[in-house]
Amino acid sequence: DSGVTQTPKHLITATGQRVTLRCSPRSGDLSVYWYQQSLDQGLQFLIHYYNGEERAKGNILERFSAQQFPDLHSELNLSSLELGDSALYFCASSGRDNSPLHFGNGTRLTVT
Amino acid sequence: GENVEQHPSTLSVQEGDSAVIKCTYSDSASNYFPWYKQELGKRPQLIIDIRSNVGEKKDQRIAVTLNKTAKHFSLHITETQPEDSAVYFCAPKYSGGGADGLTFGKGTHLIIQP
Repeated sequence: DSGVTQTPKHLITATGQRVTLRCSPRSGDLSVYWYQQSLDQGLQFLIHYYNGEERAKGNILERFSAQQFPDLHSELNLSSLELGDSALYFCASSGRDNSPLHFGNGTRLTVT
Repeated sequence: GENVEQHPSTLSVQEGDSAVIKCTYSDSASNYFPWYKQELGKRPQLIIDIRSNVGEKKDQRIAVTLNKTAKHFSLHITETQPEDSAVYFCAPKYSGGGADGLTFGKGTHLIIQP
C-alpha cells in the first residue's frame, strides 16, 4: 500500500458530462501530481501542486482543471468529456524535493 | 520542459540473462534519476533511484548507472526472472525550487522468455 488514496476506482459516464477525481496524498507529503495513462501508453504528466499552489502544468487540456485544498487532498475535474478521455488517471504524491513519487491505484474513466 | 527518451521500447530476453534499458534526457540541471516498474494493471512503483553526486547504485539484481556528461542513465537487471516482466519508466527530475513537473519516458516493455 502506497498510502495514496484515489477515488473512485472506476467511473463510467457519457460524452459531454463532467466528473471529479479525488486524491488523498500520503501523510506528510506536500506535492501532488496527476497523470493520464491511455491504453498501452505512457504516463502523460498533467499538473503538479505543491502545498496548495500550482507548480507546473503539462499536457493538460483546457477542459481539465485541478486544485489542491488546505488539507492537501487534490481533485481533478474533467468536463465536456470526449471518448478519447477514457483512460487511467493516476495521482502521485511526494515529500521533499528529489524524493520518489508514490502512486495511488488510479481511477479508470470510461466515456461512452 | 525536460525531453526524455527511453530505449528500447520493447526488450525480450531469456530468463537468467541480463537486461539494460537506457534513458536520455535534455535538461543538464536534472539531479534526480529514478526508475519505476509498472506491472500489468497495477500502479507504477519505484524500484531504484540515483542522485547526481553518485555514478552508480546497486540493489541486489538491479543497478542504475549515471553519465551526467552524456545526459543519460541506465537500468541494469541481472539474472532476470519471470516477475521482472513489466513496463519500466524513467523519470529524470530537476528540482531547484522553481516550477517542476516530472516527465516520464514512454516506457520499455520488458518480456522475460522462459
